Amino acid sequence: DSGVTQTPKHLITATGQRVTLRCSPRSGDLSVYWYQQSLDQGLQFLIQYYNGEERAKGNILERFSAQQFPDLHSELNLSSLELGDSALYFCASSVGGRPYEQYFGPGTRLTVT
Amino acid sequence: GQQVMQIPQYQHVQEGEDFTTYCNSSTTLSNIQWYKQRPGGHPVFLIQLVKSGEVKKQKRLTFQFGEAKKNSSLHITATQTTDVGTYFCAGVPAEGAQKLVFGQGTRLTINP
Repeated sequence: DSGVTQTPKHLITATGQRVTLRCSPRSGDLSVYWYQQSLDQGLQFLIQYYNGEERAKGNILERFSAQQFPDLHSELNLSSLELGDSALYFCASSVGGRPYEQYFGPGTRLTVT
Repeated sequence: GQQVMQIPQYQHVQEGEDFTTYCNSSTTLSNIQWYKQRPGGHPVFLIQLVKSGEVKKQKRLTFQFGEAKKNSSLHITATQTTDVGTYFCAGVPAEGAQKLVFGQGTRLTINP
């Protein structure tokens, strides 16, 4: 158990819909990262928040957005969903603002039908 | 943009055989990290290397960071069935945006 929690574990929704994924980092970690992992694909970095502020951006689509709240939990919002958005979405956390030694949550499996 | 290439993509070995996966970056890295993902699981941090030519060992696992800080390797001696999984390297570029870029991973399967 990494100490990072993610909800929900599974999500099935239809094209065009909007969903919200939630992540709570390890106690004491200030950074939260979001990654997308498609079938047989590596991990694609989406976005990082550090202490409530956006720190770094990766290949995040305009239909996707994220935020980190004062209690440091984070939410990833995915809208106008397409079939190609079906993937595993991982959240990770680290102590500082640099992307070192990240601890991953169990992931949310999103299926868009 | 920065790319991290990892080879091989798949490796199947007999239990007890050695295993090596290689990682190459298109740009110089400030550090390289290795993660392991078991089937159906999430990536788990293994180690971080920051110095040119650095070598670190964790029991049967040996990690190396190249002199030019553009490549790395993970070597497992005498594999066991518990080593099954996908091994990812991930690098942070020495210049530019501080983002962790993952390689595609090497999936290791083992015949007991």
